[in-house]
Amino acid sequence: SQKIEQNSEALNIQEGKTATLTCNYTNYSPAYLQWYRQDPGRGPVFLLLIRENEKEKRKERLKVTFDTTLKQSLFHITASQPADSATYLCALEGGNTGFQKLVFGTGTRLLVSP
Amino acid sequence: DGGITQSPKYLFRKEGQNVTLSCEQNLNHDAMYWYRQDPGQGLRLIYYSQIVNDFQKGDIAEGYSVSREKKESFPLTVTSAQKNPTAFYLCASSTGAGGSPKNIQYFGAGTRLSVL
Repeated sequence: SQKIEQNSEALNIQEGKTATLTCNYTNYSPAYLQWYRQDPGRGPVFLLLIRENEKEKRKERLKVTFDTTLKQSLFHITASQPADSATYLCALEGGNTGFQKLVFGTGTRLLVSP
Repeated sequence: DGGITQSPKYLFRKEGQNVTLSCEQNLNHDAMYWYRQDPGQGLRLIYYSQIVNDFQKGDIAEGYSVSREKKESFPLTVTSAQKNPTAFYLCASSTGAGGSPKNIQYFGAGTRLSVL
């Protein structure tokens, strides 16, 4: 069955370091992969989208990679700040034309200490 | 200010009661969605609507109902048939099938439903 895996354990890092979060998937061939940020008690907020033919995407301190051979996406936050503390969700979209639902991972909680 | 508004923020349901969660968007999006989020679990899709007057069941539709009479509105009713309704409910919208990327989702702030 289709499965999306994100590390359920919280990632603790010190301010200024690079945070790397992992999203692995099986039995799925997504055309797009998205990353969202969710703060406690709030709805997710879209951060980045990467297409299957793109290896890497950047936005300010954020970088996403997408390896369709390994079936994995890595999400990096460089020069992390305490304000980056949140849960980060990956979401996959199918490759067929027409309407596609998003399938979300369970998310990884990031804690950045001053 | 464009966005998605969910109300109420907190809702309590009594045994055997139906409750309705409101979701309104002014983003002019065609597609709308309802998700349920439980601790330690990802977002699970309850219902979605691609266009006005049309909606489809998601992965966990049992015990829920929706309507889509207006483009801006997609209310969710949690019926008495839903035996474990306590959760965080999120509404989202996206542009839909047209354009690319077509499925970036914009979420409301959520409604937390508890059972009395």
